[in-house]
Amino acid sequence: GAGVSQSPSNKVTEKGKDVELRCDPISGHTALYWYRQSLGQGLEFLIYFQGNSAPDKSGLPSDRFSAERTGGSVSTLTIQRTQQEDSAVYLCASSPTGDFYEQYFGPGTRLTVT
Amino acid sequence: EDQVTQSPEALRLQEGESSSLNCSYTVSGLRGLFWYRQDPGKGPEFLFTLYSAGEEKEKERLKATLTKKESFLHITAPKPEDSATYLCAVQEPERLVFGKGTKLTVDP
Repeated sequence: GAGVSQSPSNKVTEKGKDVELRCDPISGHTALYWYRQSLGQGLEFLIYFQGNSAPDKSGLPSDRFSAERTGGSVSTLTIQRTQQEDSAVYLCASSPTGDFYEQYFGPGTRLTVT
Repeated sequence: EDQVTQSPEALRLQEGESSSLNCSYTVSGLRGLFWYRQDPGKGPEFLFTLYSAGEEKEKERLKATLTKKESFLHITAPKPEDSATYLCAVQEPERLVFGKGTKLTVDP
């Protein structure tokens, strides 16, 4: 079956521009997660959704980052006024239930801020 | 500060040479410990979840164990296709904290 898909696969943007990253989870998965992976760093947890709600947004690096999920399916991660330090691979995962169990990851979006 | 430390950072083995990867953690209120495998250019692939000290899980040539302060991923008679970065993560109530991973290379 279809796995988690993310778009775009690559995004190059100028400093100060806004970007939107999209995640399509596996059909029927109720939980959705966003992570960031920078070169030489581990995966950094950003936010997760159970259904359409995000219990804890404190993992978002700054108030320039926001995320939403609609219809219990597609999610969008928005970064406003991008900075060079935002350059990273942004990974999305979904799982059939919550509690971080058995997450299936997408291929990621590589974001480069010039 | 809560943290997850994986060692070694990199490990090179000959095919068939068994070894172990370590994940030590200092998080409070551990709710689960996870192992993932990540191949270059791809998202992580789920391997195991462990919940309590003494628990063990196996999958093919991999076995994960858990104590109160660390977890081990034992690789028995590895093959070149086991080459990947292995990630450990611990669950806190509302987030997952990852280590930086161990890059495993298995030479034929």
